[in-house]
Formats: sequence, C-alpha cells, structure tokens
Amino acid sequence: DVKVTQSSRYLVKRTGEKVFLECVQDMDHENMFWYRQDPGLGLRLIYFSYDVKMKEKGDIPEGYSVSREKKERFSLILESASTNQTSMYLCASGLSGGGRTGYEQYFGPGTRLTVT
Amino acid sequence: QKEVEQNSGPLSVPEGAIASLNCTYSDRGSQSFFWYRQYSGKSPELIMFIYSNGDKEDGRFTAQLNKASQYVSLLIRDSQPSDSATYLCAVNYRGGYNKLIFGAGTRLAVHP
Repeated sequence: DVKVTQSSRYLVKRTGEKVFLECVQDMDHENMFWYRQDPGLGLRLIYFSYDVKMKEKGDIPEGYSVSREKKERFSLILESASTNQTSMYLCASGLSGGGRTGYEQYFGPGTRLTVT
Repeated sequence: QKEVEQNSGPLSVPEGAIASLNCTYSDRGSQSFFWYRQYSGKSPELIMFIYSNGDKEDGRFTAQLNKASQYVSLLIRDSQPSDSATYLCAVNYRGGYNKLIFGAGTRLAVHP
C-alpha cells in the first residue's frame, strides 16, 4: 500500500510565525504535491516537485515556499503565517506518468492549520 | 468554463439504490480519469481510474468514460450509508508534470 504521512494532523500557529509542514512518502514516487482545500474552493495546487531539489509553482504559490532535499520528503513552508492561510493542507505523491497511465496521486491524511 | 465540472449536490439516494455521479471535462485530449472519495474531515482516497472508453467495474463501483462527449461518470450500486461522502473527479493535465485537475466534488448522501 502507498503510504503518505504528514507531520501533524492539527496545528495552531500565530500570525507572523514561520510554519513548516512535512510530508513523507514510502513508494519511491518522483512527484510530490502540496494542495490546500477550503470549503467552496475545492483543491488548489500550491507547489509541486517532480524530482529532488526541483519545484514548480502551482496555482496559488504566494506566501508559500517548498523544499525537497530527499526524494521521499517534501516540505511546505509558510514564511510568515497569516489568518487567510487557515486551511486544510494536503500532500500527495505519484509516479511520473506516460501516455495514458501513471498519473494517479495518493494523499496523506492532511494537516488542519489554524492561524490566529 | 471550468476545466473539470461536477454538480456540487447534495445528491440524495435511498439505501440500496444506484447513485450516479457525473463529471465533464474541457480538454478533449485528456487520457486519464480518476475518482476520489473524501469523507468529511478526511483526505481524498483514490477509488477508481479509467483510461479507455466504456465501462470499468470494481465491486459495487463502475466508472464510465465517453471521450466523444467528454464526460466520465461513477455509478455506485447498492448504495450504503457508508458511501455518503464527497466524490472528486480528476483528469490528467496535458501541460506536463503529471498534474491532475480536480473538480469541486459532488456530495452524496445515502439515507437509510
């Protein structure tokens, strides 16, 4: 079974704090993704990585950065947390697809972050 | 036009009935289609994928793909209250990097 783990299920931080969310996968997947999910807005891609030390911006990268120093680990960093970053954060991993197959992503349990 | 569209619901069905969830997509060249189930407060779980036109069955679930009409559907036979969840449709993004484009999801409520 694919296993994707996230460092915390619930996190409460104060405005202005630097926040680290960590994600680890055990399936040797090339690709890793960070999403946030808010009611009425669905899943929105923040950043993704297709290889170690490689990263690409998603749809809403502002206020976030990422780090991927090892293949199995992908970190999301909130440089200076703000209340509008209160959300459910979801990490996912997947293989590098080709043709029609291999695009599926597997999600971690999520981190519910509250910024006060 | 959104790239992947789903009716937000809620879709309410009685226990034992067939639940039919639909999804349309805008990129005619998309080749891979996925259904995720998400319980309230939990993360999405992959339940089905389909690549070819036609039907694909897995237990009580059947995914249907019609590329000409650009829609994909999920049928749940003998619906159970435990099937009550939000179902997300996802389509591969052909611009590269193995991204998926997700629909906003359809909330299914199965009542006893």
